[in-house]
Amino acid sequence: EAEVAQSPRYKITEKSQAVAFWCDPISGHATLYWYRQILGQGPELLVQFQDESVVDDSQLPKDRFSAERLKGVDSTLKIQPAELGDSAMYLCASSLAPRGIRRDEQYFGPGTRLTVT
Amino acid sequence: QKEVEQNSGPLSVPEGAIASLNCTYSDRGSQSFFWYRQYSGKSPELIMSIYSNGDKEDGRFTAQLNKASQYVSLLIRDSQPSDSATYLCAVNPDSNYQLIWGAGTKLIIKP
Repeated sequence: EAEVAQSPRYKITEKSQAVAFWCDPISGHATLYWYRQILGQGPELLVQFQDESVVDDSQLPKDRFSAERLKGVDSTLKIQPAELGDSAMYLCASSLAPRGIRRDEQYFGPGTRLTVT
Repeated sequence: QKEVEQNSGPLSVPEGAIASLNCTYSDRGSQSFFWYRQYSGKSPELIMSIYSNGDKEDGRFTAQLNKASQYVSLLIRDSQPSDSATYLCAVNPDSNYQLIWGAGTKLIIKP
């Protein structure tokens, strides 16, 4: 069964350090999403890619966060420098959108639990 | 502001009973609706999608959509302790394939 891959699963870093997360979407999925989820809340969209292009990064704190999907397949989300308030679950999801039946169904990877100390 | 509202719970249901989870949304033009299950410390898992008014059944799960009243619900029949999780409602309000998420309802199935 096709799955979204993410790594690492857990990351502990000190404040002001750099951290990076990697995501490999389900094969053939054109759209990739990075979310941040804080306990007790729904996922918050950080950035959306369609193929290699950014569709929406309006909620991405661009002074410290960056994201890329250079070849339109896997993607990296980076935080530099990390702050205490960045501690959260970082989720990657993918969908067939804009093509295909059930194109707006999003499938999530296992997530990366980030703790900033 | 496009919103999706869910009761945060916890909703406690005896094992074997029907669990009923509700969600309301603000954008009347919304076309796609989803229920995700999220176990503690895990990522959301898609369990149901619904696009048309009425009921959609998949095993023990039934999603119900009423666009006129702007609500979508999830029924879980013969509830099991393994159904204990947070259930997230998500809505696609337009064609940009971004979902608006509720904060989730925590469901507890008591043996």
